[in-house]
Amino acid sequence: DAGITQSPRHKVTETGTPVTLRCHQTENHRYMYWYRQDPGHGLRLIHYSYGVKDTDKGEVSDGYSVSRSKTEDFLLTLESATSSQTSVYFCAISAKVGASGSPLHFGNGTRLTVT
Amino acid sequence: AQSVTQLGSHVSVSEGALVLLRCNYSSSVPPYLFWYVQYPNQGLQLLLKYTSAATLVKGINGFEAEFKKSETSFHLTKPSAHMSDAAEYFCAVSGDDKIIFGKGTRLHILP
Repeated sequence: DAGITQSPRHKVTETGTPVTLRCHQTENHRYMYWYRQDPGHGLRLIHYSYGVKDTDKGEVSDGYSVSRSKTEDFLLTLESATSSQTSVYFCAISAKVGASGSPLHFGNGTRLTVT
Repeated sequence: AQSVTQLGSHVSVSEGALVLLRCNYSSSVPPYLFWYVQYPNQGLQLLLKYTSAATLVKGINGFEAEFKKSETSFHLTKPSAHMSDAAEYFCAVSGDDKIIFGKGTRLHILP
């Protein structure tokens, strides 16, 4: 299994508080992704990174920011958590995407509840 | 831009029966296509992928999928369902730096 660790695995927070989720990889892969999974919506891309300090938005990026200062770490921040951000968050990594057809390898997810 | 449509959010089959999960895609560039499986309380695992080498792709656990360009489809099949196949299945497409997922199909196996 690809070396991907998400932390924390579970978190409960209050509306309006900032929250940071961490994804750590030991594979030295260039690409890292944050998805959220919600019933009826499947997985939706929040943000992704194609290198250190290189990030871009996905389809549901509003209310989220990311940072990647090292190859191995990709942080997802909810600046002011809202109940609509209650979800399961998955980090994924890939050596290459696009023309190479490399697949994603997923972490085990972080279950976030915003009360 | 790429998109994926999975037909049927829930599919039920009897143990031993054929499994057919449907996926149609849209892509402005030659696509790479994937099927992933998710068991309860776990992350997603790759079942198989299409990368243009062969239109019929074999994956793990007896699953296979056929790429049909004329139908823009990549349906997942298994000849004989097993109770352990009960899970959620996701079709995905990539053509640039992103991989876009369908909404998923939950497969139920009836004894």
